Amino acid sequence: LAKTTQPISMDSYEGQEVNITCSHNNIATNDYITWYQQFPSQGPRFIIQGYKTKVTNEVASLFIPADRKSSTLSLPRVSLSDTAVYYCLVGLMDSSYKLIFGSGTRLLVRP
Amino acid sequence: GAVVSQHPSRVICKSGTSVKIECRSLDFQATTMFWYRQFPKKSLMLMATSNEGSKATYEQGVEKDKFLINHASLTLSTLTVTSAHPEDSSFYICSAREFRDGWQETQYFGPGTRLLVL
Repeated sequence: LAKTTQPISMDSYEGQEVNITCSHNNIATNDYITWYQQFPSQGPRFIIQGYKTKVTNEVASLFIPADRKSSTLSLPRVSLSDTAVYYCLVGLMDSSYKLIFGSGTRLLVRP
Repeated sequence: GAVVSQHPSRVICKSGTSVKIECRSLDFQATTMFWYRQFPKKSLMLMATSNEGSKATYEQGVEKDKFLINHASLTLSTLTVTSAHPEDSSFYICSAREFRDGWQETQYFGPGTRLLVL
């Protein structure tokens, strides 16, 4: 299973765009990338998932370069409620699929 | 996204008793569910993979006789903490795997269950 590396913490201000980059140098051909958000005492919430290039949904964008050794979660115009821990995970698209969580990135959004 | 529920959301029990936690996929069928535990300010730790109709697969260091997992249907997995002790106090989270378009899969997580063993 590919291991991921993220910054431990990030600070931002309301209204700014936040980009969190995740490194996954050993990603395999069948791995895809998923990001989750977790608030204290809650289960992780799915944000976005991708395999290559760019994916966008109503809450975020995910940028994946051609070599797929990293990915960047982009949160446009963050608010105080985006203060949370963000996890980047890679998983195999086969029956052995399981997600192993790293330490995540603790994002603090200030007023 | 798909919805996963857990019950109860929190439970307090006496040392030596057993506690059952339910995990349900509400709007999709899940042949595979996962159980995690999380300590304060720590990341999630995978405990076991629950497969419908077969025995669960436990991660290294997780006692299968301590944490009994049953996945009796495509929408329900249960985790029973047997003879609970204070060190079993933790936040337990389940997830269920959803397949879309025949190949793409995503894990959706339940809201978690806070267990406190006195």
